[in-house]
Amino acid sequence: AQTVTQSQPEMSVQEAETVTLSCTYDTSESDYYLFWYKQPPSRQMILVIRQEAYKQQNATENRFSVNFQKAAKSFSLKISDSQLGDAAMYFCAYITGGGADGLTFGKGTHLIIQP
Amino acid sequence: DVKVTQSSRYLVKRTGEKVFLECVQDMDHENMFWYRQDPGLGLRLIYFSYDVKMKEKGDIPEGYSVSREKKERFSLILESASTNQTSMYLCASSPRASLYEQYFGPGTRLTVT
Repeated sequence: AQTVTQSQPEMSVQEAETVTLSCTYDTSESDYYLFWYKQPPSRQMILVIRQEAYKQQNATENRFSVNFQKAAKSFSLKISDSQLGDAAMYFCAYITGGGADGLTFGKGTHLIIQP
Repeated sequence: DVKVTQSSRYLVKRTGEKVFLECVQDMDHENMFWYRQDPGLGLRLIYFSYDVKMKEKGDIPEGYSVSREKKERFSLILESASTNQTSMYLCASSPRASLYEQYFGPGTRLTVT
């Protein structure tokens, strides 16, 4: 079965510091996309960052960046200069094929920001 | 902006009732999805549809059915609700041409008593 593993159910970081959320995945497909989604208390799922598997360069979106290690099937999210608004559940996910099969999600990491 | 709306934020139903969860998107997306979210389990795909009147089972379709009569609307149906279907239900949509632009609705928290 294809899976996504987030080994940290909860993480805590001081405001303005850097935190890294880990994710490993297992797929036999060669064509896939990886994502990090954020779900704040409002419950709205928000796309944070995405990575095409065929690209070697790590994706970056402002304070968010990923460390994509394709051979190791690892896709970690680094949040720099953490802000109170970053507090949320973070889900790692991937999608394969034509995109119509739906996302496969990890179980999530609850990120707490300490003021 | 793409908008995905769900008919209710909170819903309380009794065991055995037939339940309809409605999802509407306004961006002419071909693909639509229903996920279920439970603490410690993440999101799991129930059903998806890649066109009107088309549907495919996801990872956990048992106890659910779906309907897609119009492109913008995708309904999730619980034929006879049970307490183990108490959960958060999230709808999403994406265009056929894109592999990653899934847009999510705000979710419906369903409680079955």
